[in-house]
Amino acid sequence: EVQLVESGGGLVQPGGSLRLSCAASGFTLNSCWMNWVRQAPGKGLEWVANIRQDGSEANYVDSVEGRFTISRDNAKNSLYLHMNNLRAEDTAVYYCVRDYNVIPFDFWGQGTLVTVSS
Amino acid sequence: DIQLTQSPSSLSASVGDRVIITCRASQGIGNYLAWFQQKPGKAPKSLIYYASILQSGVPSKFSGSGSGADFTLTISSLQPEDFATYFCQQYHSYPRTFGQGTKVDIK
Repeated sequence: EVQLVESGGGLVQPGGSLRLSCAASGFTLNSCWMNWVRQAPGKGLEWVANIRQDGSEANYVDSVEGRFTISRDNAKNSLYLHMNNLRAEDTAVYYCVRDYNVIPFDFWGQGTLVTVSS
Repeated sequence: DIQLTQSPSSLSASVGDRVIITCRASQGIGNYLAWFQQKPGKAPKSLIYYASILQSGVPSKFSGSGSGADFTLTISSLQPEDFATYFCQQYHSYPRTFGQGTKVDIK
């Protein structure tokens, strides 16, 4: 059974940092591009970043470029999102999402809530 | 960035109704469009990719069509479990973008 389990969310002050983790199981992580997608409370979906299977390429939405870093450790079946200089507008549920072969965003984790507030 | 505009933003429908949701892209994206269903408090679920290919396990009452800049999601006969919010998403170029969502509720 495919599972993606996010962790690491919580309350952080503006300007602070947080690292999200996503534990993958039930499939071979190193065969998939992986994504982070976020959803602010009561709002729509926003793609944040993705990373190639071997970690050699990463892409980001402009609003997080330079502040967030996506990474992966295939040996640990894990995906990460390092978030620095957090802002109130980064408050959202963050989802770990798989691309499977030609199928984009085919499987989503349950999400972890990040709240940026003083 | 490619903007996706869904219409309507919300609709009320009855069980058994045929529902059509449209998604218009600000520029051509070929067939690189996906549809997702999200229920309150849950993660989105993949329904359709490449504009019209049904994701494994998704019932055939869902169908997608279109190419270029105009796309539709059709639910042939709405059932109670289909009341949810639906999002389109383009994966033609970066940044990946989503439509604003269409909330389908009970009339």
